[in-house]
Amino acid sequence: AQSVAQPEDQVNVAEGNPLTVKCTYSVSGNPYLFWYVQYPNRGLQFLLKYITGDNLVKGSYGFEAEFNKSQTSFHLKKPSALVSDSALYFCAVRDPGKAAGNKLTFGGGTRVLVKP
Amino acid sequence: DAGVIQSPRHEVTEMGQEVTLRCKPISGHDYLFWYRQTMMRGLELLIYFNNNVPIDDSGMPEDRFSAKMPNASFSTLKIQPSEPRDSAVYFCASSLGGPDRGQPQHFGDGTRLSIL
Repeated sequence: AQSVAQPEDQVNVAEGNPLTVKCTYSVSGNPYLFWYVQYPNRGLQFLLKYITGDNLVKGSYGFEAEFNKSQTSFHLKKPSALVSDSALYFCAVRDPGKAAGNKLTFGGGTRVLVKP
Repeated sequence: DAGVIQSPRHEVTEMGQEVTLRCKPISGHDYLFWYRQTMMRGLELLIYFNNNVPIDDSGMPEDRFSAKMPNASFSTLKIQPSEPRDSAVYFCASSLGGPDRGQPQHFGDGTRLSIL
Protein backbone atom coordinates (compact mmCIF):
# COMPACT_ATOMS: atom_id res chain seq x y z
CA ALA A 1 0.00 0.00 0.00
CA GLN A 2 1.19 3.51 -0.71
CA SER A 3 1.45 6.03 2.07
CA VAL A 4 2.89 9.43 2.72
CA ALA A 5 3.70 11.15 6.01
CA GLN A 6 4.16 14.78 6.92
CA PRO A 7 5.65 14.64 10.40
CA GLU A 8 5.05 18.29 11.33
CA ASP A 9 1.56 19.68 11.80
CA GLN A 10 2.90 23.23 11.74
CA VAL A 11 6.08 25.02 10.76
CA ASN A 12 6.83 28.55 11.94
CA VAL A 13 9.46 30.64 10.21
CA ALA A 14 10.44 34.29 10.09
CA GLU A 15 10.09 36.13 6.81
CA GLY A 16 13.31 35.96 4.83
CA ASN A 17 14.47 32.75 6.47
CA PRO A 18 14.66 29.37 4.70
CA LEU A 19 11.53 27.24 4.77
CA THR A 20 11.46 23.44 4.79
CA VAL A 21 8.37 21.24 4.87
CA LYS A 22 9.07 17.55 5.36
CA CYS A 23 7.54 14.59 3.57
CA THR A 24 8.39 10.89 3.63
CA TYR A 25 6.75 8.17 1.59
CA SER A 26 6.31 4.42 1.38
CA VAL A 27 5.55 2.74 -1.94
CA SER A 28 6.21 -0.58 -3.60
CA GLY A 29 7.98 0.88 -6.62
CA ASN A 30 9.51 4.12 -7.83
CA PRO A 31 7.18 6.89 -6.67
CA TYR A 32 5.55 9.80 -8.40
CA LEU A 33 5.60 12.65 -5.88
CA PHE A 34 3.70 15.92 -5.77
CA TRP A 35 3.41 19.03 -3.63
CA TYR A 36 0.26 21.13 -3.41
CA VAL A 37 -0.58 24.31 -1.49
CA GLN A 38 -3.96 25.33 -0.11
CA TYR A 39 -4.86 28.88 0.84
CA PRO A 40 -7.86 29.60 3.10
CA ASN A 41 -11.22 28.81 1.50
CA ARG A 42 -9.55 27.69 -1.72
CA GLY A 43 -8.82 24.41 -3.45
CA LEU A 44 -5.38 22.81 -3.63
CA GLN A 45 -2.94 24.28 -6.12
CA PHE A 46 -0.17 22.27 -7.76
CA LEU A 47 3.38 23.39 -6.89
CA LEU A 48 5.73 20.79 -8.33
CA LYS A 49 6.27 17.11 -9.04
CA TYR A 50 8.96 14.47 -9.27
CA ILE A 51 8.53 11.66 -11.77
CA THR A 52 12.05 10.79 -12.85
CA GLY A 53 15.35 12.48 -13.60
CA ASP A 54 17.08 15.19 -11.60
CA ASN A 55 16.51 14.79 -7.87
CA LEU A 56 16.09 18.54 -7.41
CA VAL A 57 12.80 19.76 -8.80
CA LYS A 58 11.88 23.41 -9.19
CA GLY A 59 8.29 24.60 -9.09
CA SER A 60 6.01 27.58 -8.74
CA TYR A 61 6.52 30.62 -6.47
CA GLY A 62 10.22 29.89 -5.90
CA PHE A 63 9.65 26.49 -4.29
CA GLU A 64 11.80 23.45 -4.91
CA ALA A 65 11.92 19.91 -3.59
CA GLU A 66 14.60 17.28 -3.33
CA PHE A 67 13.89 13.62 -3.97
CA ASN A 68 16.01 11.34 -1.77
CA LYS A 69 15.47 7.69 -2.57
CA SER A 70 17.64 6.30 0.22
CA GLN A 71 15.76 8.30 2.83
CA THR A 72 12.40 7.95 1.03
CA SER A 73 11.87 11.68 1.40
CA PHE A 74 10.66 14.55 -0.75
CA HIS A 75 11.08 17.71 1.33
CA LEU A 76 9.76 21.03 0.06
CA LYS A 77 12.05 24.04 0.36
CA LYS A 78 12.16 27.74 -0.26
CA PRO A 79 15.35 29.76 0.31
CA SER A 80 13.60 32.90 1.57
CA ALA A 81 10.04 32.67 2.91
CA LEU A 82 7.41 35.35 2.40
CA VAL A 83 4.44 36.18 4.61
CA SER A 84 2.27 35.26 1.62
CA ASP A 85 3.64 31.68 1.77
CA SER A 86 1.56 31.11 4.89
CA ALA A 87 -0.78 28.29 3.89
CA LEU A 88 -1.44 24.55 4.21
CA TYR A 89 0.94 22.33 2.25
CA PHE A 90 0.23 18.79 1.11
CA CYS A 91 2.58 16.10 -0.12
CA ALA A 92 1.08 13.36 -2.32
CA VAL A 93 2.36 10.11 -3.77
CA ARG A 94 1.35 7.79 -6.54
CA ASP A 95 2.72 4.27 -6.51
CA PRO A 96 3.27 3.24 -10.14
CA GLY A 97 2.56 -0.39 -9.27
CA LYS A 98 -0.72 -1.48 -10.83
CA ALA A 99 -2.21 -2.70 -7.59
CA ALA A 100 -2.17 0.83 -6.20
CA GLY A 101 -4.62 2.10 -8.76
CA ASN A 102 -4.39 5.35 -10.68
CA LYS A 103 -4.80 7.72 -7.76
CA LEU A 104 -2.88 9.89 -5.32
CA THR A 105 -2.53 9.45 -1.58
CA PHE A 106 -2.20 12.74 0.28
CA GLY A 107 -0.37 13.42 3.51
CA GLY A 108 -2.12 15.05 6.43
CA GLY A 109 -0.87 18.50 5.56
CA THR A 110 1.55 20.94 7.22
CA ARG A 111 0.48 24.42 8.14
CA VAL A 112 3.16 27.01 7.44
CA LEU A 113 3.12 30.31 9.28
CA VAL A 114 5.57 32.96 8.12
CA LYS A 115 5.90 35.82 10.56
CA PRO A 116 6.95 39.33 9.49
CA ASP B 1 -8.98 29.95 -18.71
CA ALA B 2 -11.79 28.83 -16.46
CA GLY B 3 -10.73 26.41 -13.78
CA VAL B 4 -12.77 23.69 -12.15
CA ILE B 5 -16.12 25.13 -11.12
CA GLN B 6 -18.04 23.78 -8.16
CA SER B 7 -21.49 24.71 -6.93
CA PRO B 8 -22.79 25.60 -4.50
CA ARG B 9 -19.87 27.07 -2.54
CA HIS B 10 -21.76 26.65 0.71
CA GLU B 11 -24.65 24.39 1.62
CA VAL B 12 -26.45 24.21 4.93
CA THR B 13 -29.24 21.72 5.29
CA GLU B 14 -30.99 19.57 7.85
CA MET B 15 -30.27 15.95 8.56
CA GLY B 16 -32.19 13.61 6.30
CA GLN B 17 -32.32 15.95 3.33
CA GLU B 18 -30.86 15.12 -0.06
CA VAL B 19 -27.75 17.08 -1.02
CA THR B 20 -26.39 17.43 -4.54
CA LEU B 21 -22.96 18.86 -5.24
CA ARG B 22 -21.99 19.85 -8.75
CA CYS B 23 -18.74 20.06 -10.66
CA LYS B 24 -17.71 21.33 -14.07
CA PRO B 25 -14.18 20.12 -14.93
CA ILE B 26 -11.71 21.95 -17.11
CA SER B 27 -12.61 21.47 -20.76
CA GLY B 28 -10.68 18.63 -22.36
CA HIS B 29 -9.69 16.95 -19.11
CA ASP B 30 -10.41 13.23 -19.08
CA TYR B 31 -10.05 12.50 -15.35
CA LEU B 32 -12.35 13.75 -12.61
CA PHE B 33 -11.87 13.18 -8.88
CA TRP B 34 -14.12 13.82 -5.87
CA TYR B 35 -12.43 14.39 -2.50
CA ARG B 36 -13.65 15.12 1.01
CA GLN B 37 -11.65 17.19 3.50
CA THR B 38 -12.20 17.16 7.26
CA MET B 39 -10.04 18.09 10.21
CA MET B 40 -10.16 14.57 11.57
CA ARG B 41 -9.55 12.57 8.41
CA GLY B 42 -7.70 15.00 6.18
CA LEU B 43 -8.15 14.75 2.41
CA GLU B 44 -9.85 11.55 1.25
CA LEU B 45 -10.47 10.39 -2.30
CA LEU B 46 -14.09 9.34 -2.69
CA ILE B 47 -14.32 8.34 -6.35
CA TYR B 48 -12.71 9.06 -9.68
CA PHE B 49 -13.83 8.89 -13.29
CA ASN B 50 -11.93 8.41 -16.53
CA ASN B 51 -13.70 9.45 -19.72
CA ASN B 52 -16.96 9.72 -17.74
CA VAL B 53 -16.71 6.14 -16.45
CA PRO B 54 -16.37 5.51 -12.69
CA ILE B 55 -13.10 3.67 -12.14
CA ASP B 56 -12.67 3.43 -8.39
CA ASP B 57 -15.38 4.19 -5.84
CA SER B 58 -13.75 2.38 -2.93
CA GLY B 59 -13.55 5.64 -0.99
CA MET B 60 -17.28 6.28 -1.01
CA PRO B 61 -18.26 6.00 2.66
CA GLU B 62 -21.52 4.14 2.23
CA ASP B 63 -24.56 3.64 0.04
CA ARG B 64 -25.91 7.05 0.95
CA PHE B 65 -23.27 8.52 -1.35
CA SER B 66 -23.50 8.31 -5.13
CA ALA B 67 -21.70 10.05 -7.99
CA LYS B 68 -22.43 10.40 -11.66
CA MET B 69 -20.76 11.88 -14.69
CA PRO B 70 -23.35 12.01 -17.48
CA ASN B 71 -21.00 13.84 -19.85
CA ALA B 72 -17.48 15.19 -20.06
CA SER B 73 -18.41 18.59 -18.68
CA PHE B 74 -20.51 17.75 -15.63
CA SER B 75 -20.45 15.57 -12.54
CA THR B 76 -22.58 15.31 -9.42
CA LEU B 77 -22.03 13.92 -5.95
CA LYS B 78 -25.24 13.13 -4.11
CA ILE B 79 -25.85 12.32 -0.47
CA GLN B 80 -29.23 10.87 0.44
CA PRO B 81 -30.13 10.95 3.27
CA SER B 82 -27.57 13.35 4.70
CA GLU B 83 -26.21 13.03 8.25
CA PRO B 84 -24.30 15.49 10.46
CA ARG B 85 -21.10 13.41 10.08
CA ASP B 86 -21.18 14.21 6.35
CA SER B 87 -20.29 17.82 7.17
CA ALA B 88 -17.03 18.59 5.37
CA VAL B 89 -15.53 20.44 2.44
CA TYR B 90 -15.99 18.51 -0.78
CA PHE B 91 -13.56 19.12 -3.64
CA CYS B 92 -13.72 18.22 -7.27
CA ALA B 93 -10.51 18.02 -9.30
CA SER B 94 -9.76 17.27 -12.93
CA SER B 95 -6.66 16.40 -14.93
CA LEU B 96 -5.56 15.73 -18.48
CA GLY B 97 -4.27 12.23 -18.05
CA GLY B 98 -4.09 10.47 -14.74
CA PRO B 99 -1.54 10.17 -11.96
CA ASP B 100 0.08 7.33 -13.89
CA ARG B 101 1.26 9.94 -16.39
CA GLY B 102 2.36 12.29 -13.66
CA GLN B 103 -0.31 14.82 -14.50
CA PRO B 104 -1.20 17.37 -11.82
CA GLN B 105 -4.77 17.68 -10.67
CA HIS B 106 -6.61 21.01 -10.83
CA PHE B 107 -8.92 21.58 -7.89
CA GLY B 108 -12.09 23.61 -7.60
CA ASP B 109 -12.61 25.83 -4.58
CA GLY B 110 -14.86 23.29 -2.92
CA THR B 111 -18.32 23.08 -1.43
CA ARG B 112 -18.52 23.61 2.32
CA LEU B 113 -21.33 21.35 3.49
CA SER B 114 -22.94 21.65 6.90
CA ILE B 115 -25.59 19.15 7.97
CA LEU B 116 -27.55 20.28 11.02
